[in-house]
Amino acid sequence: DIQMTQSPSTLSASVGDRVNVTCRASQNINRWLAWFQQKPGKAPKFLIYKASSLESGLPSRFSGSGSGTEFTLTISSLQPDDFATYYCHQYNSYPWTFGQGTKVEIK
Amino acid sequence: QVQLQESGPGLVKPSQTLSLTCTVSGDSVSSTLHYWNWIRQQPGKGLEWIGYIYYSGSTYYNPSLKSRITMSVDTSKNQFSLQLTSVTAADTAVYYCARAHSRITGRSFDYWGQGTLVTVSS
Repeated sequence: DIQMTQSPSTLSASVGDRVNVTCRASQNINRWLAWFQQKPGKAPKFLIYKASSLESGLPSRFSGSGSGTEFTLTISSLQPDDFATYYCHQYNSYPWTFGQGTKVEIK
Repeated sequence: QVQLQESGPGLVKPSQTLSLTCTVSGDSVSSTLHYWNWIRQQPGKGLEWIGYIYYSGSTYYNPSLKSRITMSVDTSKNQFSLQLTSVTAADTAVYYCARAHSRITGRSFDYWGQGTLVTVSS
């Protein structure tokens, strides 16, 4: 199985901060990487696919980058609605796997 | 608007079979572009992909659960289902159904159900 490792596990930030979440794959996944946002008691929300394509209708402050084994989710200016847990997900190889999550909390 | 809704018992006894159904609206489970998935999240933990079923009935199951899983699709009801046998407390989780795309679109799990908590307990 491909292991997905996110860092940091928890991130404390303020509204307006630029935030980066890193996801590393244990082997090459090309650009088959997605990002999800999850709030307590809710289903994950689809943010980004193919490493850098933003889902339609989502704010442009979210962006993704990377390829191969290292990827980054960037929130350019953190908004109150963005405090949540973020997961990366590889769909290059079976079984599809997720990172362990990064919780973005209020500083 | 695509919507998915899980249904099934919220409590299952150890060693019994967990059965869930996902009802899809706004799309067809007969679509050749999509795969219909089950994903679970144990309390306070991350996400675990269980597997998918395609409209044709072909499946891919996570090897970690493969021996206990059966998925099926009912095109007449626009539903797909999950059965997980011989459950233990470790199978207690929120179970989500979700739509995924074929490689043609490059997209991943774009629509999810709200999730249903299944507790395994006697």
